[in-house]
Amino acid sequence: QQQVKQSPQSLIVQKGGISIINCAYENTAFDYFPWYQQFPGKGPALLIAIRPDVSEKKEGRFTISFNKSAKQFSLHIMDSQPGDSATYFCAASRVSGGTSYGKLTFGQGTILTVHP
Amino acid sequence: DAGVTQSPTHLIKTRGQQVTLRCSPKSGHDTVSWYQQALGQGPQFIFQYYEEEERQRGNFPDRFSGHQFPNYSSELNVNALLLGDSALYLCASSLPGVGNEQYFGPGTRLTVT
Repeated sequence: QQQVKQSPQSLIVQKGGISIINCAYENTAFDYFPWYQQFPGKGPALLIAIRPDVSEKKEGRFTISFNKSAKQFSLHIMDSQPGDSATYFCAASRVSGGTSYGKLTFGQGTILTVHP
Repeated sequence: DAGVTQSPTHLIKTRGQQVTLRCSPKSGHDTVSWYQQALGQGPQFIFQYYEEEERQRGNFPDRFSGHQFPNYSSELNVNALLLGDSALYLCASSLPGVGNEQYFGPGTRLTVT
């Protein structure tokens, strides 16, 4: 019940295209869903996050779409750039009370390559 | 504003040895979480410290232990190292109640030979 499944494992996109990464979760108690970007040799950097009371959140070229009934959420990167080439992780946690508070459960990661 | 810092950057140890990794949280943050990231995998939660106590623990053996100091910095100790402990160890800091936004440090790369 703690799993977060992420797809695809790898993604190749042309410069200017849209990158889409999907995640599905099992634990309905999760109520916080962040996305992280990680470059080689660096720690994950928080990109954008969403709570389940909204279906979409946009920050610059990054958009999270959230489907509570399907227990799925996705990251869309518009106008993808070569500098976006990195590994992307979705994660989930329970913020509001309970013993799961604080723990982030991560997906397996997606290696994004944006060709110039 | 300094972000999360970790030391050392890299470490090589032999099986059976013990290791201590250190973390200083982002300014103003009082909660520290530790994660283990194996090559090609997502980070796995080890434990979280708040008010100098372990508040939550993941599925890791007792060989993994930690400590949080009054200044909110933290240490991760691993005893009786195994080859499988080779990984990137990440520290993340956060403020409880602020949407669980966790900010990660650059990590410590541990190699066990």
